[in-house]
Amino acid sequence: EIVMTQSPATLSVSPGERATLSCRASQSVSSNLAWYQQKPGQAPRLLIYGASTRATGIPARFSGSGSGTEFTLTISSLQSEDFAVYYCQQYNNWPRLTFGGGTKVEIK
Amino acid sequence: QVTLRESGPALVKPTQTLTLTCTFSGFSLSTSGMCVSWIRQPPGKALEWLALIDWDDDKYYSTSLKTRLTISKDTSKNQVVLTMTNMDPVDTATYYCARIYSSVQLVHDYWGQGTLVTVSS
Repeated sequence: EIVMTQSPATLSVSPGERATLSCRASQSVSSNLAWYQQKPGQAPRLLIYGASTRATGIPARFSGSGSGTEFTLTISSLQSEDFAVYYCQQYNNWPRLTFGGGTKVEIK
Repeated sequence: QVTLRESGPALVKPTQTLTLTCTFSGFSLSTSGMCVSWIRQPPGKALEWLALIDWDDDKYYSTSLKTRLTISKDTSKNQVVLTMTNMDPVDTATYYCARIYSSVQLVHDYWGQGTLVTVSS
């Protein structure tokens, strides 16, 4: 099983600042990496797939990068609605899908 | 418009079998490339993928839970059913179903709102 490790567990950021979230895979997943956003009481929402492609309707302030085992989600200028938990998920080992442990982005 | 909705008991007793139904609309599970996953999330914890069924009726399970899970589909009713045997309090979680259209990308593009299942005597 491919283990996905996210860091940090919690990120404290002020509105308008940049947030950088990391996701590491225990073995290469190529670019088969997705990011999801989850707000309290809601289902996850797809943000990024293919490591760097924004899903439909996702604002340009969200960007993804990386390949192999190291990935980054960057939120260029945090808006109030961006404070949430973010999960990465690999699908290289299809269909054995695995999620990371999540990073909570909170207001500083 | 794609929608998914999970249904099932809110409370089950330890050792019982849980049966959850995902009822969807806006797509057909007979379309090549279409899949439905089940994912769960214990309170305050991370997401865990459980099982997946595809348009061709191929079924895949989490390695750690494989012996307890069964996934099936009823294409005519637009439903996917997940059963989990021998429930334990650690199985308390919100259970989600989600769609994957593998002909496009192998990611969960639409999710249900989830259903909270509590395991307690």
